[in-house]
Amino acid sequence: AQSVSQHNHHVILSEAASLELGCNYSYGGTVNLFWYVQYPGQHLQLLLKYFSGDPLVKGIKGFEAEFIKSKFSFNLRKPSVQWSDTAEYFCAVYGNNRLAFGKGNQVVVIP
Amino acid sequence: DAMVIQNPRYQVTQFGKPVTLSCSQTLNHNVMYWYQQKSSQAPKLLFHYYDKDFNNEADTPDNFQSRRPNTSFCFLDIRSPGLGDAAMYLCATESGTGENEQFFGPGTRLTVL
Repeated sequence: AQSVSQHNHHVILSEAASLELGCNYSYGGTVNLFWYVQYPGQHLQLLLKYFSGDPLVKGIKGFEAEFIKSKFSFNLRKPSVQWSDTAEYFCAVYGNNRLAFGKGNQVVVIP
Repeated sequence: DAMVIQNPRYQVTQFGKPVTLSCSQTLNHNVMYWYQQKSSQAPKLLFHYYDKDFNNEADTPDNFQSRRPNTSFCFLDIRSPGLGDAAMYLCATESGTGENEQFFGPGTRLTVL
């Protein structure tokens, strides 16, 4: 079965700082990788996804992620965060007809 | 707008009193999922339907059941809620055509007294 690891569950940073969230997965088949975001009081929304092709994928709100197959990683980045990026971020891998989520990163951006 | 709707948004029940959570979708997706999410944890898949085919996760307690009477609706029944079942319950849909992207509803927060 597939699994996802996310580290540094709680991240606190100031506006304009750069953000990088690590995601490592394990799955033996062809991977489809996702980052979802959950803003306070709102539902899970898709930030970006990787199925194939260019390993650097760009998502909404200035986020991007890079798929590095040799490292089984799909790290999320944003060069300059805003207060509105305060949210919980989940990495997920699709396999065996299901999504497996990581435990999430709670990100707090201080104005 | 096409969407995934969950009702109610907040549900309070008593220990042992059956409760049903509802999910509907206007996306006409083949696949519907139910997840349980506890505070500061990842969503945990309970079961899913591919059309009418029901797929239960091995570690989903028997206390949890589901019904999908048609493409648009899916229900989660908790027969005898315990205090440990208090959580956010998320419904999600997927087209089933290979895109593998899931669309989530806002969730129902269940409180068990």
